[in-house]
Amino acid sequence: EVQLVESGGGLVQPGGSLRLSCAASKFPFESFEMNWVRQAPGKGLEWVSYISSSGSSIDYADSVKGRFTISRDNAKNSLYLQMNSLRAEDTGVYYCARAYYYDSRGHLDSWGQGTLVAVSS
Amino acid sequence: DIQMTQSPSSLSASVGDRVTITCRASQGISNSLAWYQQKPGEAPKLLLYAASRLQSGVPSRFSGSGSGTDYTLTISSLQPEDFATYYCQHYYNSPRTFGQGTKVE
Repeated sequence: EVQLVESGGGLVQPGGSLRLSCAASKFPFESFEMNWVRQAPGKGLEWVSYISSSGSSIDYADSVKGRFTISRDNAKNSLYLQMNSLRAEDTGVYYCARAYYYDSRGHLDSWGQGTLVAVSS
Repeated sequence: DIQMTQSPSSLSASVGDRVTITCRASQGISNSLAWYQQKPGEAPKLLLYAASRLQSGVPSRFSGSGSGTDYTLTISSLQPEDFATYYCQHYYNSPRTFGQGTKVE
């Protein structure tokens, strides 16, 4: 069974930085696109970013563009999210999720349990 | 960017009821739509993809339909474990936006 384990969350002051990690196992990580999705407390899901299997294609939600950077290390089966210039509205649970391609487009078929990021002074 | 409008935002139902949730995209998404279920404190779980294809292990009481811009999730006979929040998401292109969610209570 696919395993995705996020880490790196915590309490950070506004303007600060944090780096999230997602350790993947039990599937060929280098063959799959990966995504980050977040959820503010009591709110809905918000797609944050994706990175293609090779890392050559990347995109971000407008709300994080210019502040967050997604990356991956296929040799380490790991996905990352570098978050800079953090704001209170970035507070929430961050999930990594695998995209499974069917009919040339990828839906999120496997999710980690999430890591909590709290931005507060 | 494609916007996803999900309705209703919440609904009240009883065990055995037929439940329908709708999702409308701001432009055609060629059936590139997934439905997720989320229970409190848990990660989302994929129910359906490509608008109508049931994810492995998901009970057959869940079904999806639609085309173009309008899509529907149906639970044919609500079970106690189905009380949760449901989200649609398009993956036609980027950004891959979610609907606002429907809480079934």
